[in-house]
Amino acid sequence: AQSVTQPDIHITVSEGASLELRCNYSYGATPYLFWYVQSPGQGLQLLLKYFSGDTLVQGIKGFEAEFKRSQSSFNLRKPSVHWSDAAEYFCAVGAGIQGAQKLVFGQGTRLTINP
Amino acid sequence: KAGVTQTPRYLIKTRGQQVTLSCSPISGHRSVSWYQQTPGQGLQFLFEYFSETQRNKGNFPGRFSGRQFSNSRSEMNVSTLELGDSALYLCASSLIGVADTGELFFGEGSRLTVL
Repeated sequence: AQSVTQPDIHITVSEGASLELRCNYSYGATPYLFWYVQSPGQGLQLLLKYFSGDTLVQGIKGFEAEFKRSQSSFNLRKPSVHWSDAAEYFCAVGAGIQGAQKLVFGQGTRLTINP
Repeated sequence: KAGVTQTPRYLIKTRGQQVTLSCSPISGHRSVSWYQQTPGQGLQFLFEYFSETQRNKGNFPGRFSGRQFSNSRSEMNVSTLELGDSALYLCASSLIGVADTGELFFGEGSRLTVL
């Protein structure tokens, strides 16, 4: 069965510092991988996605992620965080039959920014 | 372009009652998915509809059901409510499906509290 693990439940970084959020997945075939962000009281917004091709993908708000098949990882990075980045971040893998897929989400990582 | 609209945003029910939640997808989107979000279980897939047909279903009891109308609007129903059904129910829409477009557009959710 497909699964996603986000090892860090809560991360605190200082504003301006770099950020890396970890994500490991389990999936038999080539995965579709996603990072979503959820601000308090809001729905989820897509940050970036990986389907195929270049393993380093760029997203919105200055985020990027790197797909490493050998490590079954899809870590999210940002060189310099802003206070507005405080939110919960979810890694997800697309699972199922093409055209009828669902997303399997990790448990999420809550990001706190120190001023 | 209007986003995904979910109603009601908040509701309180008592055990044994039933509830119906509504979701209006982005105009032109034909796929609607539902997810349950709880602190303990995280984000879990409920079901997905495309052109009024349920294409995929998660591991939830039969008390959870849904449907999609010809205008792509969707409803989900939970009967015989239990305390554990308290959650944020998120609706997401996409043009065809997550595998085809790579993105789900989420609503802000309906927060259900069962007393």
